[in-house]
Amino acid sequence: SQTIHQWPATLVQPVGSPLSLECTVEGTSNPNLYWYRQAAGRGLQLLFYSVGIGQISSEVPQNLSASRPQDRQFILSSKKLLLSDSGFYLCAWSKGAGYEQYFGPGTRLTVT
Amino acid sequence: QQPVQSPQAVILREGEDAVINCSSSKALYSVHWYRQKHGEAPVFLMILLKGGEQKGHDKISASFNEKKQQSSLYLTASQLSYSGTYFCGTVWKELSFGAGTTVTVRA
Repeated sequence: SQTIHQWPATLVQPVGSPLSLECTVEGTSNPNLYWYRQAAGRGLQLLFYSVGIGQISSEVPQNLSASRPQDRQFILSSKKLLLSDSGFYLCAWSKGAGYEQYFGPGTRLTVT
Repeated sequence: QQPVQSPQAVILREGEDAVINCSSSKALYSVHWYRQKHGEAPVFLMILLKGGEQKGHDKISASFNEKKQQSSLYLTASQLSYSGTYFCGTVWKELSFGAGTTVTVRA
């Protein structure tokens, strides 16, 4: 069966500090991978998605970036965090565009 | 293009029914439904692909209208475990989620 991992579970970072969140998927190959952000009490905002190694599509202009160095690894980064980057970051995978998505447990980021 | 969900919130007593609607201005390839409990990640409930399709999952079911522009999620004889935020998702380039409907079921 497929499993998706995210770490860390929670993170408190000062404004201006860098960020690296990691997501890995087990039990499947060549998945589509996604990064979402959810502000408190709000909906799911798609940040990036990837259909393969090195292929990243950005949905929202921001100070975040994503990379996919391996088939089942997806990384979300920032060089300098802003207060507005606080939120619940979710990684998800699917078999392809339009298929159901399965979410990781999420990382709760607080920028202070 | 983000789908429109209604209502924003609903409060139920155990055993009551509720309907959540999800609509788009254009015909859709498919509609997804997810539930997110407080502090947790969203969980996939079901996907509807065909106009006129209906699907069930325990006492939670959904329909997709013939024109494929609206879907409804039905919570029947609600249980405390049904509490959470329900999101519909519609597919264009990729999945786009509605703003969510918060369901609170009280004893």
